[in-house]
Amino acid sequence: AQTVTQSQPEMSVQEAETVTLSCTYDTSESDYYLFWYKQPPSRQMILVIRQEAYKQQNATENRFSVNFQKAAKSFSLKISDSQLGDAAMYFCAYRSVSGSARQLTFGSGTQLTVLP
Amino acid sequence: EPEVTQTPSHQVTQMGQEVILRCVPISNHLYFYWYRQILGQKVEFLVSFYNNEISEKSEIFDDQFSVERPDGSNFTLKIRSTKLEDSAMYFCASSVNEKKLFFGSGTQLSVL
Repeated sequence: AQTVTQSQPEMSVQEAETVTLSCTYDTSESDYYLFWYKQPPSRQMILVIRQEAYKQQNATENRFSVNFQKAAKSFSLKISDSQLGDAAMYFCAYRSVSGSARQLTFGSGTQLTVLP
Repeated sequence: EPEVTQTPSHQVTQMGQEVILRCVPISNHLYFYWYRQILGQKVEFLVSFYNNEISEKSEIFDDQFSVERPDGSNFTLKIRSTKLEDSAMYFCASSVNEKKLFFGSGTQLSVL
């Protein structure tokens, strides 16, 4: 079974600065998807960014980018020019491409605080 | 932008009672899911639904749980006889092709 580990329960960043959230995962599969979801205090789960494992190029969405290291099974999220609205719980998630177990497997989350 | 809608946002029930949590997925989506998050814990998969049948379910999704798409637009999760440990935020999600899941705002279920 796949596992997702987020080793930083809490992080803080100064407004306008850059922060990187870490995620590692364990899998024997060669093709899969990785995601970062944001959960603000409203508790809605909002997709931030997605990476397909067969793509070598790191995904980017505006101020959000990832550093995907397939051999190391690492998938970190970089938030540039941090804004107060970025404050939230961030979850890393894994999903298989094939087979029967295609549900999302989530990490335990990193609570990000943005300091004004 | 289309959204997944969940009702109610909060549900309080007595232990042993039946509850139905309702979701309206995004209209052209074909895959539907329920996840739950007990306060302070990871988000956990419950069940996925495609082509009018369950495609996957977790060990959490026992005989007390059922899902239904009664009218082509709603997607419901029923818990037959609630237990204290069923208290959690329940998230519905939908997807066109399983590559990107869109989540609703959740229903906070409190079992007393």
